[in-house]
Amino acid sequence: ETGVTQSPTHLIKTRGQQVTLRCSSQSGHNTVSWYQQALGQGPQFIFQYYREEENGRGNFPPRFSGLQFPNYSSELNVNALELDDSALYLCASSLGQGNMYTEAFFGQGTRLTVV
Amino acid sequence: ILNVEQSPQSLHVQEGDSTNFTCSFPSSNFYALHWYRWETAKSPEALFVMTLNGDEKKKGRISATLNTKEGYSYLYIKGSQPEDSATYLCARYNTDKLIFGTGTRLQVFP
Repeated sequence: ETGVTQSPTHLIKTRGQQVTLRCSSQSGHNTVSWYQQALGQGPQFIFQYYREEENGRGNFPPRFSGLQFPNYSSELNVNALELDDSALYLCASSLGQGNMYTEAFFGQGTRLTVV
Repeated sequence: ILNVEQSPQSLHVQEGDSTNFTCSFPSSNFYALHWYRWETAKSPEALFVMTLNGDEKKKGRISATLNTKEGYSYLYIKGSQPEDSATYLCARYNTDKLIFGTGTRLQVFP
């Protein structure tokens, strides 16, 4: 396994609620990216944090927000949950900005179900 | 929008067969292409990061080639084994993010 851990592994929430997903990056990695994988699709980029600052964002509404802490762990927060937010959320850590030349190390994901 | 496409969507082969799949992507402003292997209930694991046109990389029985001018990459598995059963994802690096295809799901039967 990669050393990237995500919690919780599974979660069921009601439409309109808020959720926080957590990710501990691999030791020494200062970049964390979050991806959403809906059924039948590839992972879609949500945003990336580099040294505690947002460093790029995909096509997701503002109710998707994030945070990176001094130890480089990260949180993904989603407000006003919608049924379409049901998906697997993956966290990936890497060293340096972006993943141009370096591989990303993924966690096992958090399966979010919104009912 | 940069579309990364993978084919086939799924593949069933017998143990010992060799197989290959395709990843297609827009060739303009190319920086890097990643291949990941994702076994059920585990996390995606990097296989290769490829950057140069004509790149060929190998890891055991798995190899990959890259053509950045025409925008495609092939992943080959020689002598497939049941433990190769997984979803294989390719992703093109764009600015600050990886853009993934939908993957090829490989099942190898004993």
